[in-house]
Amino acid sequence: DSGVTQTPKHLITATGQRVTLRCSPRSGDLSVYWYQQSLDQGLQFLIQYYNGEERAKGNILERFSAQQFPDLHSELNLSSLELGDSALYFCASSANRQGPDTGELFFGEGSRLTVL
Amino acid sequence: KNEVEQSPQNLTAQEGEFITINCSYSVGISALHWLQQHPGGGIVSLFMLSSGKKKHGRLIATINIQEKHSSLHITASHPRDSAVYICAVKEYGNKLVFGAGTILRVKS
Repeated sequence: DSGVTQTPKHLITATGQRVTLRCSPRSGDLSVYWYQQSLDQGLQFLIQYYNGEERAKGNILERFSAQQFPDLHSELNLSSLELGDSALYFCASSANRQGPDTGELFFGEGSRLTVL
Repeated sequence: KNEVEQSPQNLTAQEGEFITINCSYSVGISALHWLQQHPGGGIVSLFMLSSGKKKHGRLIATINIQEKHSSLHITASHPRDSAVYICAVKEYGNKLVFGAGTILRVKS
């Protein structure tokens, strides 16, 4: 058990809909990262938050947004869903006590999104 | 050309064999991660390296910054080591770029 909790584990929805994925980092971890894993593109970095602020941005679509709340949990919002958004979405956290760019990653179990 | 290249893509080994998975990258990095993903999908971080060598149990990871290359070694392989092994490099600016993964199957 990594200590990172993601909900829901599975989600099935229709095209055009909006979903929210939730991530609770390990206790005390300041950084939260979101990744997408699809069959055709492998793992891709989406976005990082550090202590409530956006820290780094990767290949995140404009239809997607994220935020980190004062209690450090994070949510990834996916809107106007398309078939191609079907993927595993992972959250990871790290302690980063020496700064936002350091620290081993601890992954959640992932949220499997299926868009029909 | 991908920024992170792993080889081999697929590897089948007999139980007890010594296994090496290679990772080459083309950009400047601040750290390199080796990750393990089991068929159920969960990802476990095995190592984070910025120089030299690290060992944990039967796993050894090395990195050569000058040559932009890292290797993951598994000694005395076991069927429970069967998984996908993923190399990921942390670019300056904190973006993590992943390799395509190496699918390892260890037969008993």
